[in-house]
Amino acid sequence: EAQVTQNPRYLITVTGKKLTVTCSQNMNHEYMSWYRQDPGLGLRQIYYSMNVEVTDKGDVPEGYKVSRKEKRNFPLILESPSPNQTSLYFCASSSPASGRAEDTQYFGPGTRLTVL
Amino acid sequence: AQSVTQLDSHVSVSEGTPVLLRCNYSSSYSPSLFWYVQHPNKGLQLLLKYTSAATLVKGINGFEAEFKKSETSFHLTKPSAHMSDAAEYFCVVSWAGGFKTIFGAGTRLFVKA
Repeated sequence: EAQVTQNPRYLITVTGKKLTVTCSQNMNHEYMSWYRQDPGLGLRQIYYSMNVEVTDKGDVPEGYKVSRKEKRNFPLILESPSPNQTSLYFCASSSPASGRAEDTQYFGPGTRLTVL
Repeated sequence: AQSVTQLDSHVSVSEGTPVLLRCNYSSSYSPSLFWYVQHPNKGLQLLLKYTSAATLVKGINGFEAEFKKSETSFHLTKPSAHMSDAAEYFCVVSWAGGFKTIFGAGTRLFVKA
């Protein structure tokens, strides 16, 4: 089954304790992205990756890191989490046709993070 | 600059009546436009997308949207609401080969029996 998986689905942590949220897709998609969802703000893009070893900042990258060492995986790293990073996080992947923003993004189930 | 504005944060309709969720966008490029739905405690599901083909786009579950370039709008409609349509709906603009995406703030749809 084609899917995007995220782990963990729920996480409660404390300020300053490094954490990683994993994201994996099995559709051989080039493009992957991380979003955070906050009430009244919709989803905001944190980082995206156009392919292996190619990443770029989205609209709200501060406090986050990413890496793309393999095509299927795109982990999100919070080196020193803070309470304002409490949010619902979504990973997505797609395979945009060359030069055209046509392709659908497939979303993971979400990771609900609470930073105390 | 690119932006997406969903004009209503909440919409309430009675079951069996039409649904209209409004979305305006601003884009310097030829955008692709999407509507996604998120049911409570669920992930995001694509309803429909516009990618410069037909301006009237039909999606799943009886939803459709019309791209109006002159009005920079992409409103979502459904002729008859069902209780199962109660959810949050997001209008999305994508450009730069699909690598840049902006979500609207969302419209929560309530359906009354």
